[in-house]
Amino acid sequence: DTEVTQTPKHLVMGMTNKKSLKCEQHMGHRAMYWYKQKAKKPPELMFVYSYEKLSINESVPSRFSPECPNSSLLNLHLHALQPEDSALYLCASSQEVSRGDQPQHFGDGTRLSIL
Amino acid sequence: AQSVTQPDIHITVSEGASLELRCNYSYGATPYLFWYVQSPGQGLQLLLKYFSGDTLVQGIKGFEAEFKRSQSSFNLRKPSVHWSDAAEYFCAVGARGGADGLTFGKGTHLIIQP
Repeated sequence: DTEVTQTPKHLVMGMTNKKSLKCEQHMGHRAMYWYKQKAKKPPELMFVYSYEKLSINESVPSRFSPECPNSSLLNLHLHALQPEDSALYLCASSQEVSRGDQPQHFGDGTRLSIL
Repeated sequence: AQSVTQPDIHITVSEGASLELRCNYSYGATPYLFWYVQSPGQGLQLLLKYFSGDTLVQGIKGFEAEFKRSQSSFNLRKPSVHWSDAAEYFCAVGARGGADGLTFGKGTHLIIQP
């Protein structure tokens, strides 16, 4: 069983919809991450949160809006997405951003399809 | 900036045979190295990690990996594969000093023949 929980597992939305992806961990980790993974490709980093503050935004379009309401939760708000945004969105957490020796723990992802 | 190369896109191995998946990294110092496995429709599961010390590291599911600084490699091995090992395998590097997420290789798709 994964220690990082992502909901929903699947999401189908139109280009004009607004939806949110949710991620939760209870391991006391203070670093949380969003990755985007296209089919047959490796995960690509989107955002990094450290102690609930955004520390890295990898030039992600503004139609993706991350939020970290507390140390256990990470949201990704979606609005006006494009068909090319269809992908698996993975959340991960680790002890601290500065602790590169600590592995990242991944959730099972949300499979997003844009119609 | 760090980078990771997994030269084999696909590898086919017979069940019970040994396995070696290759990984080469590029980094200015000794990196943090990881191997993850991803089954279809699943997230990534950590198999093992290397930071320092013993260059042969043991992981879960009978996997091991050896860090070779002279070759900038971190190859993953298993003495006898099982059909359940069929999956996508990613090598990843993390920067010392943190601040970044992981940089992944393109992955190796492992196929197990009966």
